[in-house]
Amino acid sequence: SAVISQKPSRDICQRGTSLTIQCQVDSQVTMMFWYRQQPGQSLTLIATANQGSEATYESGFVIDKFPISRPNLTFSTLTVSNMSPEDSSIYLCSVERPGLNTEAFFGQGTRLTVV
Amino acid sequence: EDQVTQSPEALRLQEGESSSLNCSYTVSGLRGLFWYRQDPGKGPEFLFTLYSAGEEKEKERLKATLTKKESFLHITAPKPEDSATYLCAVPSGGYQKVTFGIGTKLQVIP
Repeated sequence: SAVISQKPSRDICQRGTSLTIQCQVDSQVTMMFWYRQQPGQSLTLIATANQGSEATYESGFVIDKFPISRPNLTFSTLTVSNMSPEDSSIYLCSVERPGLNTEAFFGQGTRLTVV
Repeated sequence: EDQVTQSPEALRLQEGESSSLNCSYTVSGLRGLFWYRQDPGKGPEFLFTLYSAGEEKEKERLKATLTKKESFLHITAPKPEDSATYLCAVPSGGYQKVTFGIGTKLQVIP
């Protein structure tokens, strides 16, 4: 299984500002995934990040709000832009499953509080 | 649309009191079902993958089973360290998409 490191582990931010979350993987992977876990809710996929192409966003999520970078096969960033208290959540990075039916592995998450 | 429903949302057990968590799913063609454990402030930790109805997998005090419509996570003689949120998930939609349930928050009291 891959080792996935996320930074920061938590942050408290002022509304209107932006936060960039970093995800580093210890092996090369084609796809990386960004999830959001709001209090009392299930994990929701924000977008899929492929190296060398634009990220693919799920319904309800847009690039202007959640820009993603994927400069190489071991690293990705997710920015939460122009934050509001509704963006308070845990943000999780995940790497591709090696097969169609195999499990996903996750970083430890970034707990974001917007005040 | 693929759906995963977990029950109960919260469960409080005495140490040693066995119980089961439920995960019911609606997917167009099951390609597997995953169970994860999530501790507060951490990402989900993979536990099991089940691929077909009738399959069972065990790990320490946990046993996961699968039918055509639901999965159960049985916890035998739980200990306080088993306290966590248990998440169920299925591959759905596109090649790599995974749909998660809301989870069951388990608390085991000494």
